[in-house]
Amino acid sequence: ETGVTQTPRHLVMGMTNKKSLKCEQHLGHNAMYWYKQSAKKPLELMFVYNFKEQTENNSVPSRFSPECPNSSHLFLHLHTLQPEDSALYLCASSPRVENTEAFFGQGTRLTVV
Amino acid sequence: GQQVMQIPQYQHVQEGEDFTTYCNSSTTLSNIQWYKQRPGGHPVFLIQLVKSGEVKKQKRLTFQFGEAKKNSSLHITATQTTDVGTYFCAGPMEYGNKLVFGAGTILRVKS
Repeated sequence: ETGVTQTPRHLVMGMTNKKSLKCEQHLGHNAMYWYKQSAKKPLELMFVYNFKEQTENNSVPSRFSPECPNSSHLFLHLHTLQPEDSALYLCASSPRVENTEAFFGQGTRLTVV
Repeated sequence: GQQVMQIPQYQHVQEGEDFTTYCNSSTTLSNIQWYKQRPGGHPVFLIQLVKSGEVKKQKRLTFQFGEAKKNSSLHITATQTTDVGTYFCAGPMEYGNKLVFGAGTILRVKS
């Protein structure tokens, strides 16, 4: 149990579908993140939220739309994805944005067909 | 842009042998963090080093932060099959303090 819970664990979606990934942290942290992990690539930071305000969008295509209704919950809304978007999507949280360790959820394995 | 590079990409060792992975940053880091990801799992925080030349130990794992705070290493003594996984280093970006991860070193241990 990491204190960061992601659902679903696995997701298969068609290119015309709309789906959402959910992340919830029970650690009382103020910062939350979405990362993408593809085969043979470093972890790629997608979005950063600090006190539920988005502070970073790392040039992510608009077909990925994050939402952070409060400091404990983070969503990633997906629509019209491409097969190359298939990856492990990891949510993480940290006490604050600056210089602190990240606590990762177990990830959602996304396959776009 | 700021980069964090790790070598080697892969390492296969016989159980009982030692293992070392190296991390190099293109810029000076305020701190370096190490994470481990088991196969099929998610990254788990191991340790953070902050001081120049710092050395920390966790049982068979020894972590070092270089004097110039631009490189780091993780050394595992007498590897065990439970050590398998990918080891990542990560450092905060020069601006914004968000973590930049290295590509990771995949460790396989043959019993």
